Amino acid sequence: GAGVSQSPRYKVAKRGQDVALRCDPISGHVSLFWYQQALGQGPEFLTYFQNEAQLDKSGLPSDRFFAERPEGSVSTLKIQRTQQEDSAVYLCASTLIDRTDYGYTFGSGTRLTVV
Amino acid sequence: GDSVTQMEGPVTLSEEAFLTINCTYTATGYPSLFWYVQYPGEGLQLLLKATKADDKGSNKGFEATYRKETTSFHLEKGSVQVSDSAVYFCALSGRGSNYKLTFGKGTLLTVNP
Repeated sequence: GAGVSQSPRYKVAKRGQDVALRCDPISGHVSLFWYQQALGQGPEFLTYFQNEAQLDKSGLPSDRFFAERPEGSVSTLKIQRTQQEDSAVYLCASTLIDRTDYGYTFGSGTRLTVV
Repeated sequence: GDSVTQMEGPVTLSEEAFLTINCTYTATGYPSLFWYVQYPGEGLQLLLKATKADDKGSNKGFEATYRKETTSFHLEKGSVQVSDSAVYFCALSGRGSNYKLTFGKGTLLTVNP
């Protein structure tokens, strides 16, 4: 597609529920990133894939967070047993070359609200 | 660790006013510096960048100069338009992990006609 597509756009989850957030990167983009943006804050790095390999998951806040990209294209961010502090916008970005000075293409995000 | 501090918003200006949004950073070595913009309902977009000291990034009338001595990367525009209304994020990537962005909190700019 023309841009990075994320779905759903909005998700409301009850506390304790599992959720799955999807990211469709730009076709051919090797690198894929997930960021978390809490209300009133800037995005914070969660994890990074190069093709299907997860090269950095240092930003995942707990072992309830899990990301995968099994075929090197679509990625899913899964959050188990959601908590209120997980409420945020989850941003996906992709790029052809994994260097920030080439600029990343971000999706519009999934807004997760845990009630 | 690396961090970015940017001017608290919101900022409200009249059309054709001069804009400055301050940004300072803390990082080891010499990071690359960026301004990203987020228009309502859209994803973050790279506005401009500078990868070494004294570089000036520019795009769409916006400018920012990488100042190593003051660890700053202030965003400026001489004459803002209503269409510039958006949230602006200053960001850096450190030399040790040049794929990872560290963002400031963002500054909401509203330009009134």
